[in-house]
Amino acid sequence: DTGVSQDPRHKITKRGQNVTFRCDPISEHNRLYWYRQTLGQGPEFLTYFQNEAQLEKSRLLSDRFSAERPKGSFSTLEIQRTEQGDSAMYLCASSYGTSGGWDEQFFGPGTRLTVL
Amino acid sequence: GNSVTQMEGPVTLSEEAFLTINCTYTATGYPSLFWYVQYPGEGLQLLLKATKADDKGSNKGFEATYRKETTSFHLEKGSVQVSDSAVYFCALSEMMTSGTYKYIFGTGTRLKVLA
Repeated sequence: DTGVSQDPRHKITKRGQNVTFRCDPISEHNRLYWYRQTLGQGPEFLTYFQNEAQLEKSRLLSDRFSAERPKGSFSTLEIQRTEQGDSAMYLCASSYGTSGGWDEQFFGPGTRLTVL
Repeated sequence: GNSVTQMEGPVTLSEEAFLTINCTYTATGYPSLFWYVQYPGEGLQLLLKATKADDKGSNKGFEATYRKETTSFHLEKGSVQVSDSAVYFCALSEMMTSGTYKYIFGTGTRLKVLA
């Protein structure tokens, strides 16, 4: 069991640049979540995938953000035209669920984004 | 909307001291409640959970009881160790329109245990 992995672990970029993060969930997990954690705050939900379908999007996910999960495996989160306010830790989590209801989400180590 | 409030840190204790980290919540309905722990450089890990009122979650010597009357879920441990040094997050589950759940987290409490 390799757990949830995220790449890169750290990213420094200049304002206005585009960045893309990758998340590899636990292999048998069909559900995938993205959260954002700013300094001194708890993680906040961004979006949710069931297999390849993006079923939930938070109001926090502005038009500059896009997420994909092709083939229901890994996921990418892209931020276009980055702003300093995008600086945060981006967390990915995955879980296995077959119906409605709670299932335990397993979190990756996160990607820390710094926008200069 | 639903929210979680937890005590600010950092909390600094000596080894073998008693730990309490307070957590209160505001929610419609009856959410499940959780404590997550984040060790340096690692992802969030589920520490314990409680799914209904009066349930007690426990793991690794940590305990928390779901108190509906006080809307609280305080984390306790009788004797902390240096290895318990981490950031602790209280959270609740909130159902989304798709029928699955997201977490609502508190701001986290950093615990530092001194030898």
